[in-house]
Amino acid sequence: EADIYQTPRYLVIGTGKKITLECSQTMGHDKMYWYQQDPGMELHLIHYSYGVNSTEKGDLSSESTVSRIRTEHFPLTLESARPSHTSQYLCASSNQISSYNSPLHFGNGTRLTVT
Amino acid sequence: GQSLEQPSEVTAVEGAIVQINCTYQTSGFYGLSWYQQHDGGAPTFLSYNALDGLEETGRFSSFLSRSDSYGYLLLQELQMKDSASYFCAVRDRDTGRRALTFGSGTRLQVQP
Repeated sequence: EADIYQTPRYLVIGTGKKITLECSQTMGHDKMYWYQQDPGMELHLIHYSYGVNSTEKGDLSSESTVSRIRTEHFPLTLESARPSHTSQYLCASSNQISSYNSPLHFGNGTRLTVT
Repeated sequence: GQSLEQPSEVTAVEGAIVQINCTYQTSGFYGLSWYQQHDGGAPTFLSYNALDGLEETGRFSSFLSRSDSYGYLLLQELQMKDSASYFCAVRDRDTGRRALTFGSGTRLQVQP
């Protein structure tokens, strides 16, 4: 079974706060991703990484940053949270080998509410 | 860039067969994937088609026609637990990022 963990599971914070969403995987996967998903809607790519010290922006990355200092860890930071950031954030990883058909393994997500 | 279209909602009864279609537009195609997501849960991988034809995995099958830029997910012998959202997804070759782009999802409701 996939081992990818996200914390916190739920988070309610005020506008303007800086927050970091944690994501760790124990599968040794090179690739990691952050997606944003509103309830019942599609997943939008925020950031992705091919390996340590490699990060790239996705479609909704302008207000967040990521780092990849260790293979297993891929935190997402919002420098100044806004109500428009209220959403679910899903972290995923996949194996580099046979990368085109490597399935994504998702964490259970962080449900963020910004008041 | 790329875009995917799939129906927003499908309803079927237990024991029936349902087909969820997906059409895509992408200038670089690396295959079509399908994911299942239950309410409040994480997406889980169901299938991947790189070549034309039908791939069968138990009650679920997935079909791809690259010439038509079209695929579908076929669910047989529907069970209540199959009620979930189903997403088709393609990889983006244009930008070289090789990350998955997802469709908007099809919500399947299985009724008794």
